[in-house]
Amino acid sequence: EDKVVQSPLSLVVHEGDTVTLNCSYEVTNFRSLLWYKQEKKAPTFLFMLTSSGIEKKSGRLSSILDKKELFSILNITATQTGDSAIYLCAVGRWDGGSQGNLIFGKGTKLSVKP
Amino acid sequence: DAGITQSPRHKVTETGTPVTLRCHQTENHRYMYWYRQDPGHGLRLIHYSYGVKDTDKGEVSDGYSVSRSKTEDFLLTLESATSSQTSVYFCAISESRQGPGELFFGEGSRLTVL
Repeated sequence: EDKVVQSPLSLVVHEGDTVTLNCSYEVTNFRSLLWYKQEKKAPTFLFMLTSSGIEKKSGRLSSILDKKELFSILNITATQTGDSAIYLCAVGRWDGGSQGNLIFGKGTKLSVKP
Repeated sequence: DAGITQSPRHKVTETGTPVTLRCHQTENHRYMYWYRQDPGHGLRLIHYSYGVKDTDKGEVSDGYSVSRSKTEDFLLTLESATSSQTSVYFCAISESRQGPGELFFGEGSRLTVL
């Protein structure tokens, strides 16, 4: 059975700390791995990774994929209270007949204290 | 922001009643999805559509049906609502020609079944 596992499930840090969120997966016909940030409403897209070893960066956030070991990490440096959110990892698989779909992990709830 | 509108945004209903949630997009994207989000489970795919009148089941499709008669509208129907269908429902859209890619989410519809 395909699955996506995120760890830790929750995390409390102080402003300025650096955090690493983990996502491991077992998915057939892997196509992509995506990270989303969810505050109070809809998840918003952060990164999509398809190739191993290539880091994607956006400001203080960065992510990398290891397709051999089947995991990805999301790093946030110099955390701010605005980074408090649930971070979702999703893996895309190709079903062949149609576009396929994403399987989501349960998310990591990050709380950043002032 | 992607043009996705969900309606209603909040609904309280009683067990056994039919419920229809509507997702409307103005992006002309081919792919549309319905997810439900529950504590401890993350986002789980109910049904998805890869074109007008083309739909397929996701991992938690029992008790739900969908219809897509126009590119812009994707309807989710609970024929006879049960308390286990109390959840937050998210519609998402995508226009990725090479397999699962970035999803854009609506604001969510909170359904309570008493």
